[in-house]
Amino acid sequence: SQQGEEDPQALSIQEGENATMNCSYKTSINNLQWYRQNSGRGLVHLILIRSNEREKHSGRLRVTLDTSKKSSSLLITASRAADTASYFCATAGANSKLTFGKGITLSVRP
Amino acid sequence: NAGVMQNPRHLVRRRGQEARLRCSPMKGHSHVYWYRQLPEEGLKFMVYLQKENIIDESGMPKERFSAEFPKEGPSILRIQQVVRGDSAAYFCASSPVTSGTQSRKTQYFGPGTRLLVL
Repeated sequence: SQQGEEDPQALSIQEGENATMNCSYKTSINNLQWYRQNSGRGLVHLILIRSNEREKHSGRLRVTLDTSKKSSSLLITASRAADTASYFCATAGANSKLTFGKGITLSVRP
Repeated sequence: NAGVMQNPRHLVRRRGQEARLRCSPMKGHSHVYWYRQLPEEGLKFMVYLQKENIIDESGMPKERFSAEFPKEGPSILRIQQVVRGDSAAYFCASSPVTSGTQSRKTQYFGPGTRLLVL
């Protein structure tokens, strides 16, 4: 079954607005990671948050993790057209392999 | 430091042929992971290898698929007798050898190989 499930499935916003994407998962994790994928390209690692962390920042990105609710959110502030991409959350368990959700398609209108 | 390299970037095969996908990890990385992405879906784990060892192949189909990561050279994902359902993007990721729990280490992804089976 899908470990990470993102919502919404698609998000369309105006440039300059903030984008919030959510991810839920089912089993215990060591860490949760967010990736970006531009159309037809590979994945770019955005940020990793460990299971004992609650919030992490990187530039315009803010990630939260709530292990009691088994959920995470990715906030992109002051969005740009170049942020248009698919975003995936992935959980890592004890055996290192990543389990991905189906992704969120973000469109930022200029 | 070059990133993870994969080749070919695009591969077209006819049903029944063999497909060989190559992955060169980042310099200093000796852990390699292969993932498959079907259209409109997320990535699915296939196999995790270290040099000359398969650590976890729980995501590999039981037949026709094999993977190796020799002491010298790239990691190879081999698909024998390809079928149309094998059409997908295949991504390789690598992570470094460090002390501490491996599962905490970031995986760096290559650009992928897009396999099309006619």
